[in-house]
Amino acid sequence: DADVTQTPRNRITKTGKRIMLECSQTKGHDRMYWYRQDPGLGLRLIYYSFDVKDINKGEISDGYSVSRQAQAKFSLSLESAIPNQTALYFCATSDRGSPRETQYFGPGTRLLVL
Amino acid sequence: QKEVEQNSGPLSVPEGAIASLNCTYSDRGSQSFFWYRQYSGKSPELIMFIYSNGDKEDGRFTAQLNKASQYVSLLIRDSQPSDSATYLCAALGRNFNKFYFGSGTKLNVKP
Repeated sequence: DADVTQTPRNRITKTGKRIMLECSQTKGHDRMYWYRQDPGLGLRLIYYSFDVKDINKGEISDGYSVSRQAQAKFSLSLESAIPNQTALYFCATSDRGSPRETQYFGPGTRLLVL
Repeated sequence: QKEVEQNSGPLSVPEGAIASLNCTYSDRGSQSFFWYRQYSGKSPELIMFIYSNGDKEDGRFTAQLNKASQYVSLLIRDSQPSDSATYLCAALGRNFNKFYFGSGTKLNVKP
């Protein structure tokens, strides 16, 4: 079984709709991250969380919100989806201090906003 | 200026050759550096990390770090067609709280 899972794997939605992407991990890591990936732009950090009560904005948080429901679950919401949020979204986890904060990625969610 | 810069490529090398991938970073306080490999449509997977100046070898892969020049590289010896992928360089920020990824270099290894 995969250590980091994301649901759904693919999603098509319409402009203005609210959607939620979910991430679960069985690695026991305390830190979780949401990234989006666009062609030619690499991975950009949306939000990150170091524990259930610690949530921080990344470089492109506008238009997104997150919820850390438990140590193992971190959800990303698009309150009112717009076409330029079409991207590949990755959840990642890391274990504080070991080894050097290596991040482990989920399989990704491909989102298309029409 | 992006925190981590990479040439987007594509870099084409023949099978069996050495592939050299390069990366520069802007934050002198960055502590650790990572190379990830990403196949098309898949998630990034860690190849190596390095945090001390010099070379670090793991099988066919060698990571090189020069903090004075703010330069990180990855050498792949005896390149195989299965090495064809996009390679992402990442730096861990000085406060250990943010990863900065480059946009990736696409590598093509030709049989």
